[in-house]
Amino acid sequence: EDQVTQSPEALRLQEGESSSLNCSYTVSGLRGLFWYRQDPGKGPEFLFTLYSAGEEKEKERLKATLTKKESFLHITAPKPEDSATYLCAVQAPAGNKLTFGGGTRVLVKP
Amino acid sequence: EPEVTQTPSHQVTQMGQEVILRCVPISNHLYFYWYRQILGQKVEFLVSFYNNEISEKSEIFDDQFSVERPDGSNFTLKIRSTKLEDSAMYFCASSDSGEKLFFGSGTQLSVL
Repeated sequence: EDQVTQSPEALRLQEGESSSLNCSYTVSGLRGLFWYRQDPGKGPEFLFTLYSAGEEKEKERLKATLTKKESFLHITAPKPEDSATYLCAVQAPAGNKLTFGGGTRVLVKP
Repeated sequence: EPEVTQTPSHQVTQMGQEVILRCVPISNHLYFYWYRQILGQKVEFLVSFYNNEISEKSEIFDDQFSVERPDGSNFTLKIRSTKLEDSAMYFCASSDSGEKLFFGSGTQLSVL
């Protein structure tokens, strides 16, 4: 069974204080690893897809990296508008469902 | 930018009643999904739908649940006899490739 564990559960940052979120996964073959952002009362919003170990993707202050067992989402010099829950999900080769982790709630204080 | 639209945003129902949650996926997408998120828990997969049939479903998606694409634009989730434990936020999602999913804003279902 595919499993995704995210840590920490919550993260409080000062504006400008860079940090990293972890996503550890167990999957029978990885078709893709996905990062989503979720704001309160909203659906997940797509950020990145990573397909193979060593791959990196960047978008504004966010950078996602992937190894064979985990992925990191680095937030560089965050701003208050980066406050959200960040979700990691994996997709196995068979089928196309996403298995989500529990998320990391990030709060960036000005 | 195209988006997935869900209605209603909130639904309150009595236990044992039937509810239908509605979704309008992005127009050129071929893959459709329902996920749910119980308060404080993970986003959980319910069902995927492709080429007018269910392609995958989870253990949660039992005989009480059904999905339908009644026309070229709508995608619905029906719960025949709601239970208290069905209370959750239900998300519809669509994809053109079966990989990158676009989610709607959800329907908050409260079963009393």
